[in-house]
Amino acid sequence: QVQLVESGGGLVKPGGSLRLSCAASGFTFSDYYMSWIRQAPGKGLEWVSYISASRNITHYADSVKGRFTISRDNAKNSLNLQMNSLRAEDTAVYFCARESGSYYGYYFDYWGQGTLVTVSS
Amino acid sequence: SYELTQPPSVSVSPGQTARITCSGDVLPKKYVYWYQQKSGQAPVLVIYEDNKRPSGIPERFSGSSSGTMATLTISGAQVEDEADYYCYSTDSSVNHRVFGGGTKLTVL
Repeated sequence: QVQLVESGGGLVKPGGSLRLSCAASGFTFSDYYMSWIRQAPGKGLEWVSYISASRNITHYADSVKGRFTISRDNAKNSLNLQMNSLRAEDTAVYFCARESGSYYGYYFDYWGQGTLVTVSS
Repeated sequence: SYELTQPPSVSVSPGQTARITCSGDVLPKKYVYWYQQKSGQAPVLVIYEDNKRPSGIPERFSGSSSGTMATLTISGAQVEDEADYYCYSTDSSVNHRVFGGGTKLTVL
């Protein structure tokens, strides 16, 4: 069965950095786009970034562009999110998710359980 | 930037029909999807491609989309359907993924 397990969350000071990872299993990882989605405490879902199956296409939400970098290692079935220049408003649970779909719509069919990132002094 | 608009809350009694709307300019061109999220859990897909139901989702969940408005309908809502519901789509370039603000469904 499809499993996505995030790790790397924790407490970091404003301006600091953190690297999240997502270990994938139960499917051919290299065939799928992957995304990171976050949810601030008590708030709604916010898409953060996606990466294509072959790693040559990435896109970011305006709120993280220039500070976050998504990457993947298809040999290790791993998705990563490097987060730099962190701000208090980046505090959230970060989910990794597998994408399916087509031009008419890409959607998230499997999600991990999330990892909490807290940015505070 | 592209936005999807949902009502913040909807409330129904058990057995009644709950309808949650989602509006967005790109909906005539792109599919809409609906996620259910219960407290402390990851979201679960309940409707995909406007009106399709994933396996394992009860038949009381249905979706429709017309013009710039999409609707999630829960026919005969149950207490266990209490959750936050999010509509989701992509922008016209397919480069950005967008969630609606979420609707808290109360069934009591």
